[in-house]
Amino acid sequence: SQELEQSPQSLIVQEGKNLTINCTSSKTLYGLYWYKQKYGEGLIFLMMLQKGGEEKSHEKITAKLDEKKQQSSLHITASQPSHAGIYLCGAGGLLRQLTFGSGTQLTVLP
Amino acid sequence: DAGVIQSPRHEVTEMGQEVTLRCKPISGHNSLFWYRQTMMRGLELLIYFNNNVPIDDSGMPEDRFSAKMPNASFSTLKIQPSEPRDSAVYFCASRLSGSIDTQYFGPGTRLTVL
Repeated sequence: SQELEQSPQSLIVQEGKNLTINCTSSKTLYGLYWYKQKYGEGLIFLMMLQKGGEEKSHEKITAKLDEKKQQSSLHITASQPSHAGIYLCGAGGLLRQLTFGSGTQLTVLP
Repeated sequence: DAGVIQSPRHEVTEMGQEVTLRCKPISGHNSLFWYRQTMMRGLELLIYFNNNVPIDDSGMPEDRFSAKMPNASFSTLKIQPSEPRDSAVYFCASRLSGSIDTQYFGPGTRLTVL
């Protein structure tokens, strides 16, 4: 079965700083999803990457999928307190189900 | 557009009681997923329906867990009898099946079994 490893597990940054979260897969990724979760709430879809080398941006968040399609990174530029939460990467399976990483807890200090 | 709707949002029950969680997927979506989230195990897929038919239930932990989808707009996850180790947040997600398509999650049901 596919396993996803996220790093770091937790991250504390000062507001305005840039940060990167990584997601590494044990197998080739056919679809890589990034979600954000706030405590007590559901997962909010951020972005989906499918092609090797693909890069997508939304506001100050950029996600990339490497050429070999086994690693993705999520980069936040000039972080804000509103970026705080848990970021999860999910990999699409053959039956279209998602396997999730363990998540990265982001805290942004004002 | 209403997103995925789950009820109840919070459930506290005693060990041995039956618990039923409910989900209404986004209208027009034909795939539905039930997940469980705990600190220890993270987010785990329990069961997946496509066009109301269970496709993969390998994540259902025990016979105490059962899920149904009687129609395209409603699904239930039942635990009978419940145990303290079932305490978790249960999420429902739906998707319009096609190529690789995004799943949209409900707000979750926080279950506490005493």
